[in-house]
Amino acid sequence: SYVLTQPPSESVAPGQTARITCGGNNIGSKRVHWYQHKPGQAPVLVVYDDSGRPSGIPERFYGSNSGDTATLTISRVDAGDEADYYCQVWESKNDHWVFGGGTKLTVL
Amino acid sequence: QVQLVESGGGVVQPGRSLRLSCAASGFTFSSHGMHWVRQAPGKGLEWVAVIWYDGSNQFYADSVKGRFTVSRDNSRNTLYLQMNSLRADDTAVYYCARVSPPYDILTGYPDYWGQGTLVTVSS
Repeated sequence: SYVLTQPPSESVAPGQTARITCGGNNIGSKRVHWYQHKPGQAPVLVVYDDSGRPSGIPERFYGSNSGDTATLTISRVDAGDEADYYCQVWESKNDHWVFGGGTKLTVL
Repeated sequence: QVQLVESGGGVVQPGRSLRLSCAASGFTFSSHGMHWVRQAPGKGLEWVAVIWYDGSNQFYADSVKGRFTVSRDNSRNTLYLQMNSLRADDTAVYYCARVSPPYDILTGYPDYWGQGTLVTVSS
């Protein structure tokens, strides 16, 4: 089965840029979606189709995807961005939707 | 606005059954595929199942195939997850999520999620 690999945690100071990676075999050929999940809340879609931004999501959230790595970049990070972030793709070989293991973003 | 409200969670003994519901409002329910996704305590998100907008097709995660059944009633704007032969490792918060764009299942993405309902499997 297809595996998406994310670092368990990332830390960044307020005002700096956070980069969260999602590794997968030839993931650049797939459409990657990213979700922000805060404890006790519903997950929120922050990037779709590699780099699309849903309405209401700040321009500070940006996605890219190439080769074996997709990246979610969050610029000018603030305390409100502290959350778990998950990447997700559709794995056509098995008709499964796959999530990465999640990255806990800590704002120092 | 789009609203998804899950219900039906609770404590159930191993081997028993439970049915979850997801009430949808604020959009044309019959035009969108729907996912179930779960999160076990202290773990990440795990996809469970998806159903086509018209109920014509369903896919399941290997971990629940043969035990769980996803269905929908478009006349009631409601999604269901029938869970049989429950095991301790099915303990999780279960979320329903809408697929967008409309009618686009395989290349679509879950864009709105409910708050989830907790299922605890324990004797």
